[in-house]
Amino acid sequence: EAQVTQNPRYLITVTGKKLTVTCSQNMNHEYMSWYRQDPGLGLRQIYYSMNVEVTDKGDVPEGYKVSRKEKRNFPLILESPSPNQTSLYFCASTTGTGGTDTQYFGPGTRLTVL
Amino acid sequence: DQQVKQNSPSLSVQEGRISILNCDYTNSMFDYFLWYKKYPAEGPTFLISISSIKDKNEDGRFTVFLNKSAKHLSLHIVPSQPGDSAVYFCAAYEAGAGSYQLTFGKGTKLSVIP
Repeated sequence: EAQVTQNPRYLITVTGKKLTVTCSQNMNHEYMSWYRQDPGLGLRQIYYSMNVEVTDKGDVPEGYKVSRKEKRNFPLILESPSPNQTSLYFCASTTGTGGTDTQYFGPGTRLTVL
Repeated sequence: DQQVKQNSPSLSVQEGRISILNCDYTNSMFDYFLWYKKYPAEGPTFLISISSIKDKNEDGRFTVFLNKSAKHLSLHIVPSQPGDSAVYFCAAYEAGAGSYQLTFGKGTKLSVIP
């Protein structure tokens, strides 16, 4: 089954404690991205990756890092989480072969930073 | 500056009637538009899309209309069913630029009343 998986689905942590949210897709997609969803703000892109070892900032990259060492994985790293990073996070992927590809989203990770 | 706007946070419709969800955009470089549907505790799922070279696209009960001169698109659901109750996000991007960076609206919560 074609899918995007994220782990963990729920996470409660404390300010300053480094964490990683994993994202994996089994569709051999080249393009992957991270979004956060906040009440009243919709989904905003954090980082994206056009291919292995190619990453770039989205609209709200501050406080986040990503890496793309393999095509299937695109982890989101919070080196020193703060309460304003409490949010619902979605990973997404698309084939990246043409301008009209749709993006497939993971189930989401709800992060709470105390 | 919000480039994609969904001005109605919520909409209630009787089962069997038409649901019309609206979306406006300001960036004239957007040339591909999508609608995503989101249930609670799940990631957004792709519903229907339209390229800027078209003014209408149909898929079963769902039709998207695009008015480029007004920078406006709408999603029509006919007939509406209780299972359609979800949050609907309008999204847009510059397919020609190849960035795949989706810009989302804030969403409209549709409630279909049996």
